[in-house]
Amino acid sequence: NAGVTQTPKFQVLKTGQSMTLQCAQDMNHEYMSWYRQDPGMGLRLIHYSVGAGITDQGEVPNGYNVSRSTTEDFPLRLLSAAPSQTSVYFCASSSGRAGPDTQYFGPGTRLTVL
Amino acid sequence: GESVGLHLPTLSVQEGDNSIINCAYSNSASDYFIWYKQESGKGPQFIIDIRSNMDKRQGQRVTVLLNKTVKHLSLQIAATQPGDSAVYFCAGWPCHDYKLSFGAGTTVTVRA
Repeated sequence: NAGVTQTPKFQVLKTGQSMTLQCAQDMNHEYMSWYRQDPGMGLRLIHYSVGAGITDQGEVPNGYNVSRSTTEDFPLRLLSAAPSQTSVYFCASSSGRAGPDTQYFGPGTRLTVL
Repeated sequence: GESVGLHLPTLSVQEGDNSIINCAYSNSASDYFIWYKQESGKGPQFIIDIRSNMDKRQGQRVTVLLNKTVKHLSLQIAATQPGDSAVYFCAGWPCHDYKLSFGAGTTVTVRA
C-alpha cells in the first residue's frame, strides 16, 4: 500500500511549456484533490474530484486542467506554464465522497517556471 | 466557503513544555476540522481531527479543542519534543462543501 504517489518530484519548465503532474492512490479513495503551496502560505485548492468522471474547481483553478478517468489517477495539466505557477504542488485523497473525511497527502512536486 | 487563520505565524517552545497552537475559522456551518503537521520538504501529515458535534478530542500527546461559540480551535502538544518542530496547519471543511480550506500555518521550533 503506497498511499498517494506523485511524479515527478522536481520539474523545471520554460514559460509557455505544458506538462502533466501525475498523482495516483491505491487506497480506493473516491475523493482526490490538488493543492498548491507558496512560500509562507497555506495550501490552496486548485481542483478536486469526488469520483471517476467528476471534477470541479477549487479556489485557484485558472491555468490548470484535470480529468478523472479512473478512481486511482488524478493528473493535473498545466496548459501554458507561467512564472506565477512556480510552486509546490500536492495531491491528496480521502475516502469520503458523501462528506468530509481525513485527506492523505502525497510528497509533492516542486515546480519552477522560468 | 470557509476561511481559517492561525493566530501566530511562529512559536518557540522549550523541549518538554506543552505547546498550544491556535486557529480561528469564519464559517459557523463548518462540520469538520483537521490539524496537519508538515516537515520540511514533505507533504502535510494528518495529526488529529474533530467534528463539530465534539468539544475535545485526544490523541497520542495531542489534544484538539473546539469552541464553536467563538469559532476557535486549538492544538495542544504535551511534552514537546525536537521531532515536533514543523509547520502546523489547521483546515476546515464546511458542511455540504467538498473544499477543504487551510490556514497559513504556524512554525513551531523546539529549543533544546
